[in-house]
Amino acid sequence: DTGVSQDPRHKITKRGQNVTFRCDPISEHNRLYWYRQTLGQGPEFLTYFQNEAQLEKSRLLSDRFSAERPKGSFSTLEIQRTEQGDSAMYLCASSSDRDNSPLHFGNGTRLTVT
Amino acid sequence: AQTVTQSQPEMSVQEAETVTLSCTYDTSESDYYLFWYKQPPSRQMILVIRQEAYKQQNATENRFSVNFQKAAKSFSLKISDSQLGDAAMYFCAPGFTGTASKLTFGTGTRLQVTL
Repeated sequence: DTGVSQDPRHKITKRGQNVTFRCDPISEHNRLYWYRQTLGQGPEFLTYFQNEAQLEKSRLLSDRFSAERPKGSFSTLEIQRTEQGDSAMYLCASSSDRDNSPLHFGNGTRLTVT
Repeated sequence: AQTVTQSQPEMSVQEAETVTLSCTYDTSESDYYLFWYKQPPSRQMILVIRQEAYKQQNATENRFSVNFQKAAKSFSLKISDSQLGDAAMYFCAPGFTGTASKLTFGTGTRLQVTL
């Protein structure tokens, strides 16, 4: 069981730069989720995919954020023109396609915008 | 919109003792499920226990059990025989049928385990 993997683990970037994160879900999971977690808070939902279709996006996901899951396997989350407020841990999770299936989380990508 | 409240930012328990972490939520939904997740320092979030709202029996997983009070919209986590490895942030997270396992997390309770 390889679990959910995320790359990179840490990313430091300067304000205004673009960054891209990758998530590889558990292979048999159809659903993939992105969450954002700031210090001292619980994770906040950003978006989720059912296979390759992006079915829901949070209002937190501004126009500078875009997520893809082109072949229904791995996913990428891109942030354009990063701002200091984007500094957070970005968590990816996957689940099977039953509504009560638990989420399996990756280790996250910690983004620091300087 | 659903809201989740974890009113205890920090809790401390001695090793081998029992501790209860509280969680309340607000929803108009009748069909849902609830999770407790654990996030150790610098480590990934892992599932501790799951409860289906339609089940009256409280879920139990080894040393972890829940006290689910549907009418009160309360879902507390009891940890028995606490171990040093239980030290972590604990998050309560309801999930609602039709929202595809999208979870709403509380702000968490930091549990310290002392010798």
